[in-house]
Amino acid sequence: NAGVTQTPKFRVLKTGQSMTLLCAQDMNHEYIYWYRQDPGMGLRLIHYSVGEGTTAKGEVPDGYNVSRLKKQNFLLGLESAAPSQTSVYFCASSYLRGRIFDQPQHFGDGTRLSIL
Amino acid sequence: RKEVEQDPGPFNVPEGATVAFNCTYSNSASQSFFWYRQDCRKEPKLLMSVYSSGNEDGRFTAQLNRASQYISLLIRDSKLSDSATYLCVVSISESNTGKLIFGQGTTLQVKP
Repeated sequence: NAGVTQTPKFRVLKTGQSMTLLCAQDMNHEYIYWYRQDPGMGLRLIHYSVGEGTTAKGEVPDGYNVSRLKKQNFLLGLESAAPSQTSVYFCASSYLRGRIFDQPQHFGDGTRLSIL
Repeated sequence: RKEVEQDPGPFNVPEGATVAFNCTYSNSASQSFFWYRQDCRKEPKLLMSVYSSGNEDGRFTAQLNRASQYISLLIRDSKLSDSATYLCVVSISESNTGKLIFGQGTTLQVKP
């Protein structure tokens, strides 16, 4: 029962480097979300997807791109990393069952990203 | 003004104490409400949903006041293991996206 798995767990990048964070869920969830969490800011939504092949912008999308080619996976890309993107990144997923806004989200255990 | 506001604390209480957390939300279109728990350097996990009639799960009681746009969480007989950050979370029925709005969290430290 893996649930939501994030890869990698930790990463240090230099400014300007690129990388991709992988979120994989094995619960057949339709909805997947990428958040960042910074001290004193709470969780903020970066991008999300309501189904395979669809993506949409959240609250703080600048500097990030996403893709959802397969239902199970949601990729978050940083094309040119900046120190302001140092954060803890969480992926979460939820069911499409009944009213979507009633459904809680299930989180991965996070990716700690530092950009120097 | 933040959409979901919580007192960040920390709340320092002795074992066995009763502690209450409050949360206010600004969007009157908010539909569903949750409390999540987050341990240090871990992912958020659902503690309980919050219903209009109020609901209880063991030592935890959640209340919702839609008129005042206010949510509360009461923890009775606090345990050391209750030490964590408690996130107040609101869902808005916006285009069926299931997006959640998170408060910044209230930190609880239960002392022996």
